[in-house]
Amino acid sequence: GAGVSQSPSNKVTEKGKDVELRCDPISGHTALYWYRQRLGQGLEFLIYFQGNSAPDKSGLPSDRFSAERTGESVSTLTIQRTQQEDSAVYLCASSSPGAFWGYTFGSGTRLTVV
Amino acid sequence: GQQLNQSPQSMFIQEGEDVSMNCTSSSIFNTWLWYKQDPGEGPVLLIALYKAGELTSNGRLTAQFGITRKDSFLNISASIPSDVGIYFCAGQAAGNKLTFGGGTRVLVKP
Repeated sequence: GAGVSQSPSNKVTEKGKDVELRCDPISGHTALYWYRQRLGQGLEFLIYFQGNSAPDKSGLPSDRFSAERTGESVSTLTIQRTQQEDSAVYLCASSSPGAFWGYTFGSGTRLTVV
Repeated sequence: GQQLNQSPQSMFIQEGEDVSMNCTSSSIFNTWLWYKQDPGEGPVLLIALYKAGELTSNGRLTAQFGITRKDSFLNISASIPSDVGIYFCAGQAAGNKLTFGGGTRVLVKP
């Protein structure tokens, strides 16, 4: 597609439930990133996929968080047993090889845990 | 881990004013980037800086990569209402992931 597409745009879930957030990167972009943005704060790196290489998971805050990517396309971020502190906007970005500064962000998924 | 300190956290602008914001880091970055985020949207890249000392302009925006490679500033000249938003600095050290500052929220003076 023309841009990075994220779904759902908004998600309200009950504490303890699992959620899945989806990201469709720009076609041809081999790199895909997930960031978390808490209200009024900056972007916190979560995980990075580059082609077929092992993902960089160094930013995942706990083992409740995981992400997968199918080849060089869709990625899913899963949060298990959600907690209220997981409430945030989850942003996905993609970039073409070697052009990380050309990150294109999606509009994000606003997750609210009640 | 690496941290970027961005200031000010917020500022009020009046149309026509010049505004400035900056980022400092305790460690060196190879690339500095400035993004703008509008409500309900993801950040959009404004300016990218690749060399220490580099000064780059994009329209009314000017940014500089500090010679120590630990800081950068962004200036907006002759501000207009659509400059309202949140501005983020970001730095790249090794690898492709970016470290972001906490953002500067630009608001219009009432």
